[in-house]
Amino acid sequence: EVQLVESGGVVVQPGGSLRLSCAASGFTFDDYTMHWVRQAPGKGLEWVSLISWDGGSTYYADSVKGRFTISRDNSKNSLYLQMNSLRTEDTALYYCAKDIGAGATTYAFDIWGQGTMVTVSS
Amino acid sequence: IQLTQSPSSLSASVGDRVTITCRASQGISSYLAWYQQKPGKAPKLLIYAASTLQSGVPSRFSGSGSGTDFTLTISSLQPEDFATYYCQQLNSYPPITFGQGTRLEIK
Repeated sequence: EVQLVESGGVVVQPGGSLRLSCAASGFTFDDYTMHWVRQAPGKGLEWVSLISWDGGSTYYADSVKGRFTISRDNSKNSLYLQMNSLRTEDTALYYCAKDIGAGATTYAFDIWGQGTMVTVSS
Repeated sequence: IQLTQSPSSLSASVGDRVTITCRASQGISSYLAWYQQKPGKAPKLLIYAASTLQSGVPSRFSGSGSGTDFTLTISSLQPEDFATYYCQQLNSYPPITFGQGTRLEIK
């Protein structure tokens, strides 16, 4: 079964740091670009970051650029999001998602995890 | 690139034909996807490349459009289709962007 399982979400104070993890199974992880997407409570979807299959290319939303770092360990079939200088507006459910295709072009996200909740509050 | 969905909410009955529109602020070719999200669940991919039905998605769902104007159509609403629907553009990034969502409710 193709599956993504996120972990690491907690309550953290503003200015704090956190690392989210996403464990992949059921597919050849190192063939695919991977993404982080977040959803604030009661709000819509916001793309956060992507990383290419080999980690050679990374992109970020302006709202997190310079504070968040995406990475992956293909030997462990794992995706990560290092979150620094957290703000209250970063409070959201964070999903990892898999690109639908194994090429360089991104067409859609076909597999999503269940999400992990990050709450930034004093 | 901004995506504007209309309507933002919609009430319909089982068996109705429903159309949701997504307009891009600039041309995105056919790099558009549609997702369905139910409360407490992760989004589910319905359509990609504007009109390609994802494997396992019922054929009552269809997508069309290119450039700046796109539609998602549900030909005959079923009880399990009441959810929130999002469009997403992947033509020009970063950032990859989503529409604000369309909430489909039971009339």
